[in-house]
Amino acid sequence: GAVVSQHPSRVICKSGTSVKIECRSLDFQATTMFWYRQFPKQSLMLMATSNEGSKATYEQGVEKDKFLINHASLTLSTLTVTSAHPEDSSFYICSANLGPNSPLHFGNGTRLTVT
Amino acid sequence: DAKTTQPPSMDCAEGRAANLPCNHSTISGNEYVYWYRQIHSQGPQYIIHGLKNNETNEMASLIITEDRKSSTLILPHATLRDTAVYYCIVRSHTGTASKLTFGTGTRLQVTL
Repeated sequence: GAVVSQHPSRVICKSGTSVKIECRSLDFQATTMFWYRQFPKQSLMLMATSNEGSKATYEQGVEKDKFLINHASLTLSTLTVTSAHPEDSSFYICSANLGPNSPLHFGNGTRLTVT
Repeated sequence: DAKTTQPPSMDCAEGRAANLPCNHSTISGNEYVYWYRQIHSQGPQYIIHGLKNNETNEMASLIITEDRKSSTLILPHATLRDTAVYYCIVRSHTGTASKLTFGTGTRLQVTL
């Protein structure tokens, strides 16, 4: 079945540094991927929609200059958290689907801890 | 996206059927009902979806009322591994509405 892979699964970084998270569709091409963030004991919140070959679409309240999204190929989208702060510590999850009429499949998430 | 309403938590004995309800009274005609679950510290797992007919797969059954204002996810024989947060989401398949908007879900606890 369709598989979405995220890397790394866990990352610890120091405040002020940048962290890149990769999201890959392993056996299908994804023109659109979605990035979510989840804080402890809360639901998933959509951050942005990543579109292959064009700019990402960000949800209201999400800083596009802080959360850089690149979707340079049909199988890879990256999320870079720039100048990370402790409040950016969260569980970041990506998703993709085979096509508009197919379910979204999710990666296993990346737990980011900023110290 | 149309909003959904789910009970915050439910318990179910292992081996029994777990019936998880969801209200989506403002669902549009082109919106599907999706169910996902999230086991602690993992990404959400797709379970099942449907438009207006009842659906069944190897994981669960989805019962949608005739007026489509509510649905029930049925896990026929719950096991301890089914303990998770279950999300009921309505989703269009077109354009920007194809994104998934998660609510608070139902925390299902399966017990011995």
